[in-house]
Amino acid sequence: NAGVTQTPKFQVLKTGQSMTLQCAQDMNHEYMSWYRQDPGMGLRLIHYSVGAGITDQGEVPNGYNVSRSTTEDFPLRLLSAAPSQTSVYFCASSVAGGPIDTQYFGPGTRLTVL
Amino acid sequence: AQRVTQPEKLLSVFKGAPVELKCNYSYSGSPELFWYVQYSRQRLQLLLRHISRESIKGFTADLNKGETSFHLKKPFAQEEDSAMYYCAPPDSGTYKYIFGTGTRLKVLA
Repeated sequence: NAGVTQTPKFQVLKTGQSMTLQCAQDMNHEYMSWYRQDPGMGLRLIHYSVGAGITDQGEVPNGYNVSRSTTEDFPLRLLSAAPSQTSVYFCASSVAGGPIDTQYFGPGTRLTVL
Repeated sequence: AQRVTQPEKLLSVFKGAPVELKCNYSYSGSPELFWYVQYSRQRLQLLLRHISRESIKGFTADLNKGETSFHLKKPFAQEEDSAMYYCAPPDSGTYKYIFGTGTRLKVLA
């Protein structure tokens, strides 16, 4: 049982490039989410999904796209990277996204945009 | 929308001293609050949650509805407690989880 996995661990992009951060979970969780972690800002929710085919915006969605075609996978796409997107990105999942559900986090992806 | 405030960015204490990490939230109902911890080079993980009324690694957290606080406490800090701590309630009526800005705890030898 691998839990929540993320790839890559590190990535350097040039401004304007696009890329996809991968996230997968093997716990059959319905709820998945993406956060970015910035110094002094804590964790901020980018997008989330309550099940396959359903996604919604979080606190800071601009510049990011998501899709949820399967229960297991929840990729995050950066269409045109900007230096402001330099951050550490965490994917998380929980059983159903309810108020008492524990969230399980991936190891993170450290992204630098030059 | 739910808001959560962790007023201290950095908290340094000596080993064996009591620790209190503050968390204040804005919500008039009965929120389910969590504390998550991130040790160096590790992923975020649940430390404890209000609904369980549990003590994990010597930490406890009491929900004070009058003060809208959910402070994390430990009577005697250990060096291995050094980490980043996040207070997190789910947003009322939505599937969004709101995290505080975090408090970095440093326990000095």
